[in-house]
Amino acid sequence: GQSLEQPSEVTAVEGAIVQINCTYQTSGFYGLSWYQQHDGGAPTFLSYNGLDGLEETGRFSSFLSRSDSYGYLLLQELQMKDSASYFCAVHSGNTPLVFGKGTRLSVIA
Amino acid sequence: EAGVVQSPRYKIIEKKQPVAFWCNPISGHNTLYWYRQNLGQGPELLIRYENEEAVDDSQLPKDRFSAERLKGVDSTLKIQPAELGDSAVYLCASSRRQGLNTGELFFGEGSRLTVL
Repeated sequence: GQSLEQPSEVTAVEGAIVQINCTYQTSGFYGLSWYQQHDGGAPTFLSYNGLDGLEETGRFSSFLSRSDSYGYLLLQELQMKDSASYFCAVHSGNTPLVFGKGTRLSVIA
Repeated sequence: EAGVVQSPRYKIIEKKQPVAFWCNPISGHNTLYWYRQNLGQGPELLIRYENEEAVDDSQLPKDRFSAERLKGVDSTLKIQPAELGDSAVYLCASSRRQGLNTGELFFGEGSRLTVL
C-alpha cells in the first residue's frame, strides 16, 4: 500500500517563509505532487516532482529526494491568501494519485 | 477553457434515500476520477475511468455505490441507499492520459453531501 505523512497544522507570519514536509512509503514510485485547497474550494495543482531536486514556480518551490522518500513544499513571501490546506500526493505505477491528509496553513499578520 | 463542472453543489438527504452526483470533465480529458473527501482529510479515490471504462474501482463500495460514464464524457455517481457515514464532499477530477505521469488533475468544486 501507500502512505504519506505530513504535519496537520502549520502557522506562519505574513511575509515569512514556510516549509511543509511530506514523507511517503510506496512501491513503484513515479513522482510527488502538491495541491492547494481553500476552504470549500477545489484542490488545485501546484507542482510535480518526478526527479530529485528543486522545482520553482514563483513564490512556491517543491523539492524531492527519492532516496529519502521525502519532499517538501516551500512557500516564500507568505500572503494572507496562502492560508489553505496543502496536500502532497504520490504517483505509483499506473495508479492514480494517493493524497496525504493535508497540512492546514494559517498565515497571521 | 471551462473547468470541471459538478452538480449539485450541496445535497441534504435522509438516510436510506438515494442520491446522484453529476460531473462534466474538461473537454478532451480522457481520464475521469471520483474522489471522496471527509472533513479534515485528503481526497480518497473511489473510481477512475479511462474513456468509458472503469479501470480502478477497488475502493468503490459496490454494495451501495455505482458509477457510470456513458460515451466517455459525463459521469454520474450514485449512492443507494445513503448512510450517515456517506456525508462528505464528492470530488470529480479529470486529466489528460499523461496526467498520471505529471500529477496534474483538474478538480471540480465538489458536491457536499449531508446525510441526516
